[in-house]
Amino acid sequence: QQQVKQSPQSLIVQKGGISIINCAYENTAFDYFPWYQQFPGKGPALLIAIRPDVSEKKEGRFTISFNKSAKQFSLHIMDSQPGDSATYFCAASGGTYKYIFGTGTRLKVLA
Amino acid sequence: GAVVSQHPSRVICKSGTSVKIECRSLDFQATTMFWYRQFPKKSLMLMATSNEGSKATYEQGVEKDKFLINHASLTLSTLTVTSAHPEDSSFYICSAVSGSSTGELFFGEGSRLTVL
Repeated sequence: QQQVKQSPQSLIVQKGGISIINCAYENTAFDYFPWYQQFPGKGPALLIAIRPDVSEKKEGRFTISFNKSAKQFSLHIMDSQPGDSATYFCAASGGTYKYIFGTGTRLKVLA
Repeated sequence: GAVVSQHPSRVICKSGTSVKIECRSLDFQATTMFWYRQFPKKSLMLMATSNEGSKATYEQGVEKDKFLINHASLTLSTLTVTSAHPEDSSFYICSAVSGSSTGELFFGEGSRLTVL
């Protein structure tokens, strides 16, 4: 029940395309859902985050869609660029700062 | 956002030696810090929660005598890998909670440990 399932494991997108990464959770006590971007050899950096009281949050080219009833949330990267090539992790937490991370998605954007 | 600094970024040591990794919150006070371990192409695995002025709380399966954590001040937590062996080679990442944040964790740049 503590798992966060993330898919796909890897993703290749053409420059300018839309990258979509999905996550699903079981624990209904989770109330904070961040997405992190990680480049090789670096620590994760917060990209965008959402709470269950909204169904969508947009920041620049990055959008989180949240479906509370389905217990799913997704990251959409619009107009994907080669510089977006990285590993993306979703996470979930509930009342604490102990995040449960997804397994990661390696995104490659082709020039 | 808040800045968390880790040092060293890379360390190579001989088997049997101990290695200390520092995690500092540069522009905020962090009463709680977390230590993670990440294997190549894998997700982050929480090792322990470090609380300022008290003992760390270790996750199940993490050897507390192998991975010593000290959080002596509001801006510094250290992870010491004792009697390191090649299987301890990994990427270690810390994170910290800013007192003003709303659930947001700030991560350090990570420390790559290679044990020969």
